Amino acid sequence: DADVTQTPRNRITKTGKRIMLECSQTKGHDRMYWYRQDPGLGLRLIYYSFDVKDINKGEISDGYSVSRQAQAKFSLSLESAIPNQTALYFCATSVIRTSGSSGSYNEQFFGPGTRLTVL
Amino acid sequence: GENVEQHPSTLSVQEGDSAVIKCTYSDSASNYFPWYKQELGKRPQLIIDIRSNVGEKKDQRIAVTLNKTAKHFSLHITETQPEDSAVYFCAARTYNFNKFYFGSGTKLNVKP
Repeated sequence: DADVTQTPRNRITKTGKRIMLECSQTKGHDRMYWYRQDPGLGLRLIYYSFDVKDINKGEISDGYSVSRQAQAKFSLSLESAIPNQTALYFCATSVIRTSGSSGSYNEQFFGPGTRLTVL
Repeated sequence: GENVEQHPSTLSVQEGDSAVIKCTYSDSASNYFPWYKQELGKRPQLIIDIRSNVGEKKDQRIAVTLNKTAKHFSLHITETQPEDSAVYFCAARTYNFNKFYFGSGTKLNVKP
């Protein structure tokens, strides 16, 4: 889905370095999320944001911070990267849809992912 | 918080056979259950979903069933094809629309 983009797509860095991963979307969605994916662990939520002034911690926020610069942009930072932060990172957006017969639900749209390696 | 468990972690079937992936959840207030397919090197993409007021939903060769009492839901793929090979994730969304909790994934291999 080209409407959600992430930069960089791949990054190799060293322990202790500061890293920023960026996410942009043209879908006009208010809700944005950052997940990390590790083999055998599925997707785990790091942070999420419902609008520019709303930032919330997810399951595994320690060692990470985020910034919602605008509705369309949501950045994830690793202030001092460590090897166990090596993972595939996904940004996602969502919108709430209403179905007359089935109530409301929200569908998530994922970015292409950023593969981060911390040496 | 919500806890979603998914089984099996790997599944190998012969082309044309059916595949079933099962998930359980812990929060009875969760009310939306999507399934995602992730092909190698690509992003997860929604393939089917079900809401808590429905027991079953079907879309061509894929179907999802939900048992609210037992707090489990399943993905069924019939007449599997090699292009169905991927990792499949289930998820549960909390009732207040805030968060999605994902299962650990099932790697499906369809052998030609």
